[in-house]
Amino acid sequence: EPEVTQTPSHQVTQMGQEVILRCVPISNHLYFYWYRQILGQKVEFLVSFYNNEISEKSEIFDDQFSVERPDGSNFTLKIRSTKLEDSAMYFCASCYGDTQYFGPGTRLTVL
Amino acid sequence: GNSVTQMEGPVTLSEEAFLTINCTYTATGYPSLFWYVQYPGEGLQLLLKATKADDKGSNKGFEATYRKETTSFHLEKGSVQVSDSAVYFCALSSREGGSEKLVFGKGTKLTVNP
Repeated sequence: EPEVTQTPSHQVTQMGQEVILRCVPISNHLYFYWYRQILGQKVEFLVSFYNNEISEKSEIFDDQFSVERPDGSNFTLKIRSTKLEDSAMYFCASCYGDTQYFGPGTRLTVL
Repeated sequence: GNSVTQMEGPVTLSEEAFLTINCTYTATGYPSLFWYVQYPGEGLQLLLKATKADDKGSNKGFEATYRKETTSFHLEKGSVQVSDSAVYFCALSSREGGSEKLVFGKGTKLTVNP
């Protein structure tokens, strides 16, 4: 069964550094998303992406964040200058119809 | 805006006990409703869904019915197993803002003891 994959599974970085989180959505899906989950808190929407552009972004998704689909398969989330409060689990999801399928997540730790 | 309120945990049950996890929602329009499960160390997996009022979603012995009159989507299972230990998230799909995104509850941690 096709699944969403994410790399790396765990990323440790220093405050102020740039990180890129990678996702490979399910191949025939058209809508892509990033969510994050700060430890012990609810899963929060960050951004949605369709037809090579952002459809919607939340208040969390400020100028430090960007997304890209550089080729036909990868979908990336870049954080330009990480802050301590960016430490969280980041989930990629892809969607066909009304159901979103999630990847296993990348745990980002900012020191 | 749209929101989901979910029963706070943690919930601890013995094997074969009956499970209910309450979920209520606030939404404009007619959202689809979902339960996702997160096993320890893993990502979010879709457990079940319902797309319109009175629909019942079911999977792996779990059930939830979309109740528009009470704006609820409670998760139930008649006999839980140790392997059901996980965090359960209720969610709705929301088209506020122009794209279909999920709005999640806070999650309920379930522990089932043998």
